[in-house]
Amino acid sequence: DTGVSQNPRHKITKRGQNVTFRCDPISEHNRLYWYRQTLGQGPEFLTYFQNEAQLEKSRLLSDRFSAERPKGSFSTLEIQRTEQGDSAMYLCASSLQGGRHEQYFGPGTRLTVT
Amino acid sequence: AQKVTQAQTEISVVEKEDVTLDCVYETRDTTYYLFWYKQPPSGELVFLIRRNSFDEQNEISGRYSWNFQKSTSSFNFTITASQVVDSAVYFCALSEEDDSNYQLIWGAGTKLIIKP
Repeated sequence: DTGVSQNPRHKITKRGQNVTFRCDPISEHNRLYWYRQTLGQGPEFLTYFQNEAQLEKSRLLSDRFSAERPKGSFSTLEIQRTEQGDSAMYLCASSLQGGRHEQYFGPGTRLTVT
Repeated sequence: AQKVTQAQTEISVVEKEDVTLDCVYETRDTTYYLFWYKQPPSGELVFLIRRNSFDEQNEISGRYSWNFQKSTSSFNFTITASQVVDSAVYFCALSEEDDSNYQLIWGAGTKLIIKP
């Protein structure tokens, strides 16, 4: 299967702990996106990479959030000092460069902060 | 500014009925792209279709069809003979042509419930 994969699928953590999620995009896609989605809402853009460069970050992305894509392949999203408000589905997507190209999404990581 | 409106928050129909999901968009660009995604209860967003602004031909794929009308800035999605497996949230989205563009502008989604 050459789709977008994400790990873990579910994560339960206590408030104040750090968590890290991984995304493996479709191999030929040079763009990778992170979104957050809460129940009943559409995806909220967090950040995106073109190859290894992080080109845009949403204002939603506080200093506790950091994302990397070190070799332009997989990406990690880390949340430090988690808060209950961080509980959400974190979605990763990848695409070819350009607005004309559709984004393909992974299954998401559901984070629950207790 | 770009905007996508899905006015129907939730639609409930009985299996085998036809159902149309509405999508109205706003953009000042002459070149743009419209998308539909499906999000079943499992949570994964599934790409369904892309349509560019210069192609107003309607698209049919099995029980799914899409009606793109630039005159009314609409890109509606019809499911014919609906099935329970069609139950999902459906999102319409808009993007510009520009290679520097990264943003998908999302509608709020329409939750479709197909009752057996």
